[in-house]
Amino acid sequence: KQEVTQIPAALSVPEGENLVLNCSFTDSAIYNLQWFRQDPGKGLTSLLLIQSSQREQTSGRLNASLDKSSGRSTLYIAASQPGDSATYLCAVRPSSSASKIIFGSGTRLSIRP
Amino acid sequence: EAQVTQNPRYLITVTGKKLTVTCSQNMNHEYMSWYRQDPGLGLRQIYYSMNVEVTDKGDVPEGYKVSRKEKRNFPLILESPSPNQTSLYFCASSLKQGATNQPQHFGDGTRLSIL
Repeated sequence: KQEVTQIPAALSVPEGENLVLNCSFTDSAIYNLQWFRQDPGKGLTSLLLIQSSQREQTSGRLNASLDKSSGRSTLYIAASQPGDSATYLCAVRPSSSASKIIFGSGTRLSIRP
Repeated sequence: EAQVTQNPRYLITVTGKKLTVTCSQNMNHEYMSWYRQDPGLGLRQIYYSMNVEVTDKGDVPEGYKVSRKEKRNFPLILESPSPNQTSLYFCASSLKQGATNQPQHFGDGTRLSIL
């Protein structure tokens, strides 16, 4: 059974730092992996989607990588800003059941001014 | 504006009183899904629908019903709500189930409290 884990559960860094959020999954048979941002009281906003055949995706200051063989993905945020404070979730779509998406519990990120 | 709209956003009700949470999307998406989010458990899928009149159970379907009579709407029905269904609920949609390069779009959530 596919499980998705995000460590740490919470992270606080000063503004301007580059940082990496981690996501691991137990079964490498996936269609894709998606990173989301969730602000308090709001839904999820899709940040980046990486297909199983891809190694990374970039959008602005965000870069997501995927290493299927090791079951890992990272979300790199460059030059962090207070507005980046949110909970970041990763989710995988298993090859065994493309209709399902399995989420990690998220990393709550706080950027200190 | 492309969006997924849930109503209500907040609801406090009592055990056993039937309720429906509506979800509507304006992107002509085929795939729609309901999740609940609980502290420490993350998001768990309740039901999903691959198209009109096609629905299936997710990981935690007990106590819930859904219907998909129209493409744009996917209501979540709690026939007899219980306190363990107190949670934050999200509806999501994507273009189609087989389009693995299409991201999911989420509504803003519905916070349900069952007393």
